[in-house]
Order: sequence, then C-alpha cells, then structure tokens
Amino acid sequence: GAGVSQSPSNKVTEKGKDVELRCDPISGHTALYWYRQSLGQGLEFLIYFQGNSAPDKSGLPSDRFSAERTGGSVSTLTIQRTQQEDSAVYLCASSPGVWTRSNTGELFFGEGSRLTVL
Amino acid sequence: SQQGEEDPQALSIQEGENATMNCSYKTSINNLQWYRQNSGRGLVHLILIRSNEREKHSGRLRVTLDTSKKSSSLLITASRAADTASYFCAMVTSGTYKYIFGTGTRLKVLA
Repeated sequence: GAGVSQSPSNKVTEKGKDVELRCDPISGHTALYWYRQSLGQGLEFLIYFQGNSAPDKSGLPSDRFSAERTGGSVSTLTIQRTQQEDSAVYLCASSPGVWTRSNTGELFFGEGSRLTVL
Repeated sequence: SQQGEEDPQALSIQEGENATMNCSYKTSINNLQWYRQNSGRGLVHLILIRSNEREKHSGRLRVTLDTSKKSSSLLITASRAADTASYFCAMVTSGTYKYIFGTGTRLKVLA
C-alpha cells in the first residue's frame, strides 16, 4: 500500500474483553514495529518483526499481550483480558529492514489505533 | 527503562526564535533519528545522524551527536507556528534494528 495502515482507528471495549489491532505495512517492508503511547507520553517499545520472526519481544508488558505476523506482511497485536491501564494509542511502523546507501533507515508510521478500556 | 530522556519536556517560544531540544540515551547506537508528531498520532521522520557523524543539517534543522556523552540535540532555526508539535529522538541499538524513542519535547511556537 501507499502507507502504513492501521485498524481500527478507534476502539472502545469493556474491561476483560479481548481486542485485536491490525497493521498493514508498506509493501516490501520487511521490518515492522509496535509501540504504545499513553496520553502525553513517549513511545514505549513493544515488539518488532524482521520478516515473520520477532527478534525482540522484550517490550510486551505482560503475557496478555501477543503479536504475530504472517506472510511477512500484515501484523496483529492481540490484548487479552484488557485492563484500564491498557488504554493508549498503539502505533505501528514499518521500514525496509535492510540499510543500504539509498535507505535512510527511517520508520514509516501509521496513524495509530486508539484503545479505550472502560 | 528502555526510553531515552529528552529535555525540556515542553518549550514555548515566539515565531522567529530558535528552538533547541536535547536527547540523552544509555545504549551503544548505530544511528540516532529525530521525529515529529502532530496531534498525538503518526510520527514523521525528520533527520538521521549516524554514530560516526557529529553534525548534520537539513533545511532549518541542525542535529548534533556526541557519542562520548551519549547525547544529541536538535536545533530548529527561525521557528514558525507550523513547527508546533512534539519532537522525539529515536536511538537505533547497535547490532539490531530496534528503535528506542525518547520521552519527547512538546514545542509551541507562538505567532
């Protein structure tokens, strides 16, 4: 696609329910990243993928959080048994994944999914 | 914490003045990048500086990097009201493609 697409853009759920957030990266980008941003705060690293594998899952806050990527493209971040502290904007970014002379190594971000847990 | 630290947290200046933001980090890095965020949504890449570079310019932006002090600064010259946004540094950890972001500086430029 032309840019990174995230869905849903807004999600309101009740405490204890499961939610799935989707990220569709730029076509051909092998690296995909998930971040969480609470209101007025910085970006908290959650996980990144290189292809379908996740070299670093160290940022996932608890075992209620999981992410997968299939076909080296779309990724899904799943939060089980949501809690109020999970309320935040979840940002996805992609990059070509391999740095070359012509590749600036920049991340391309989606517009985020705003999650509100009541 | 896996985040870098930025200061100031917030900065308010008049149009035409210069704005300076600072970033400090803890790990060894491949490069350091600066991003801009409007309205709490997606971030946009501004500029990248590699670990073997000390200074870089792009238009009204000037970035410096001091790897011995593990710090970087972003200078925006001749600021405009349209520069009002949050600015984040992002450090790419050596040997990885992992990007860790700073805590951000909220810049407000008054017309």
